Amino acid sequence: AQRVTQPEKLLSVFKGAPVELKCNYSYSGSPELFWYVQYSRQRLQLLLRHISRESIKGFTADLNKGETSFHLKKPFAQEEDSAMYYCALRRSNDYKLSFGAGTTVTVRA
Amino acid sequence: DVKVTQSSRYLVKRTGEKVFLECVQDMDHENMFWYRQDPGLGLRLIYFSYDVKMKEKGDIPEGYSVSREKKERFSLILESASTNQTSMYLCASSLSQAGVGTDTQYFGPGTRLTVL
Repeated sequence: AQRVTQPEKLLSVFKGAPVELKCNYSYSGSPELFWYVQYSRQRLQLLLRHISRESIKGFTADLNKGETSFHLKKPFAQEEDSAMYYCALRRSNDYKLSFGAGTTVTVRA
Repeated sequence: DVKVTQSSRYLVKRTGEKVFLECVQDMDHENMFWYRQDPGLGLRLIYFSYDVKMKEKGDIPEGYSVSREKKERFSLILESASTNQTSMYLCASSLSQAGVGTDTQYFGPGTRLTVL
C-alpha cells in the first residue's frame, strides 16, 4: 500500500527566509505527487503537481524517485504563505489520493 | 469555476443520532469523495464514488455509509453517531479522466461535526 509521510507538523520561519516542507512517499509504482494548501478560513486547494514542473506562488517541488521524496521549497517566504500544506499521492490508474498528515507553516514578520 | 458546497458549516449532534452530511458539485464531475480531517492525521478517505449509485470504501469506512442518487450530490451518513466521529468532514469532486489537469480534486468548505 502507498504511504505519504510529512515529518514536520509545524514549521516556523521568518519572512524572507527560505522554507522547505518535506514529503516522503512509499509506493512501488509510478506515482503522481501533489501539494495541496489550506489558508486560514479557506478551502483546501491544489498548489502544484509534480508533472507540471511549474512554480506556483514562488513554490517549486521536485520529484526525486531515488529518494522517494517530493519536498516543497520557496526561497523567500512571505507572510501570506502561512497555511497548512498537505502532500498527496495518486497511484497510476487510480482516482483516489493518499494524503500526508500535513505541515502547518507560520511565517513571522 | 468549480463550486463544491456542503450543507452545513457546523453541526452538533448527540450520540446515537443518525446524521446526514450533504455535498453538491456543479461541474458535472464523475468522482466524488468524503474525507475526514483530523489534526496530526491529515485527510483520510472515508468513501469514494465514481458514478451514480456506485461507491467504494476508502481507508476508514467503519461507522459510515454513503448515497449517490444523482451525479451532483453525494451524501455521507453516520448511522449512529459516536463521539469519536467528531471531526471536520471535507467533500471533494474531480473529473473521471486520470490525466494531467483533469485529476485535480476540488474541495468544499467543510462541515465541523461535534458529537456530544
